[in-house]
Amino acid sequence: QVQLVQSGAEVKKPGASVKVSCKASGYTFTSYDISWVRQATGQGLEWMGWMNPSSDNTGYAQNFQGRVTMTRNTSISTAYMELSSLRSEDTAVYYCARVIQLWGGDAFDIWGQGTMVTVSS
Amino acid sequence: SSELTQDPAVSVALGQTVRITCQGDSLRSYYASWYQQKPGQAPVLVVYGKNNRPSGIPDRFSGSSSGNTASLTITGAQAEDEADYYCNSRDSSGNHVFGTGTKVTVL
Repeated sequence: QVQLVQSGAEVKKPGASVKVSCKASGYTFTSYDISWVRQATGQGLEWMGWMNPSSDNTGYAQNFQGRVTMTRNTSISTAYMELSSLRSEDTAVYYCARVIQLWGGDAFDIWGQGTMVTVSS
Repeated sequence: SSELTQDPAVSVALGQTVRITCQGDSLRSYYASWYQQKPGQAPVLVVYGKNNRPSGIPDRFSGSSSGNTASLTITGAQAEDEADYYCNSRDSSGNHVFGTGTKVTVL
């Protein structure tokens, strides 16, 4: 079945970087964009950016410009999100999601299970 | 970037109808998509585009739009519909943005 499986929980110190992976299966990885979304405990969803696995083009939300990098390895159908200069406010669950593109609006139809990233000294 | 505003919480009696709204300027140009999230789980897409439901989503979920407001309606709410609901759309820069979220309680 179509699914996205993410890497496990991470604990990082302030100032460090974290790299989360998202492995796609059940569909052609290069046919759909991947977006990353995060959610701090008890808070709402925050869109971080997108990546086109075929072209390697990316687009990042202004809040994360300069700190986030989204990449992929097409040979293993895996997308990556790296966030640097971590601070305590980055403690959150990070999700990857497949993007279906429609006339007039997109949607995120398949989601990974989420990866908890804890930033603590 | 534009914002999408939702009521923080709504309640509905079992079997009744509830409408969840999402307001924002970008909704004049783009359809919203809607996501259901239960505690400790990843979001699930329930409605997208003009009024489309993914496979497996009950037909009691429907979407509509008028002007700067998108709506998700649950007709005949069930106990399992109790969850947080988020809208999403694109802003004028082409970036995605999520609504503030609505907690739905089924009484």
